[in-house]
Amino acid sequence: DTAVSQTPKYLVTQMGNDKSIKCEQNLGHDTMYWYKQDSKKFLKIMFSYNNKELIINETVPNRFSPKSPDKAHLNLHINSLELGDSAVYFCASSQSGQSTDTQYFGPGTRLTVL
Amino acid sequence: AQSVTQLDSQVPVFEEAPVELRCNYSSSVSVYLFWYVQYPNQGLQLLLKYLSGSTLVESINGFEAEFNKSQTSFHLRKPSVHISDTAEYFCAVSPWGDYKLSFGAGTTVTVRA
Repeated sequence: DTAVSQTPKYLVTQMGNDKSIKCEQNLGHDTMYWYKQDSKKFLKIMFSYNNKELIINETVPNRFSPKSPDKAHLNLHINSLELGDSAVYFCASSQSGQSTDTQYFGPGTRLTVL
Repeated sequence: AQSVTQLDSQVPVFEEAPVELRCNYSSSVSVYLFWYVQYPNQGLQLLLKYLSGSTLVESINGFEAEFNKSQTSFHLRKPSVHISDTAEYFCAVSPWGDYKLSFGAGTTVTVRA
């Protein structure tokens, strides 16, 4: 009964490849997020969707493209992977995206670009 | 814009000893304050949050944090830690009316027997 799930858990790939990470939440939340955690554990917001509408789009290379087919899913596609994309990517969700909301995080996807 | 500073990157502590993790923030608007914990190889989970009311907030596992508006701080404390408290702790702020949560760099707490 995982609340926020991500696949795959680990992803090892070569530079220049294209890859996707999938996220699903079964909490009935309206808002979903993607975060990047670097090797120093610094966590930074990348994107947020509320009811399938993009509401946060931080300064992220346009090689990263989020897609939300419905409220329960937010996928992240990355084109032309670079070494610097190596990180742990976390998906999260919250009830309505309000600033008082608790965010619920998935287990993370560790991406390694060789 | 908001920023969060966690003053200690690593805190080693012996079991049953007290621990304090320091967090300061800066913001041009009022904010809500959060502490999240990340256990090894897991995602983050909420430990506690301050929204309004009493400036002292508590978690179910013995942690507490106090909001100090004049010092723009939200330090986290536990009077007696367990081995299972070994984790990464993140302080975060969210401006009133905004969607975005800004995190500090994290504090690694290592509890030893």
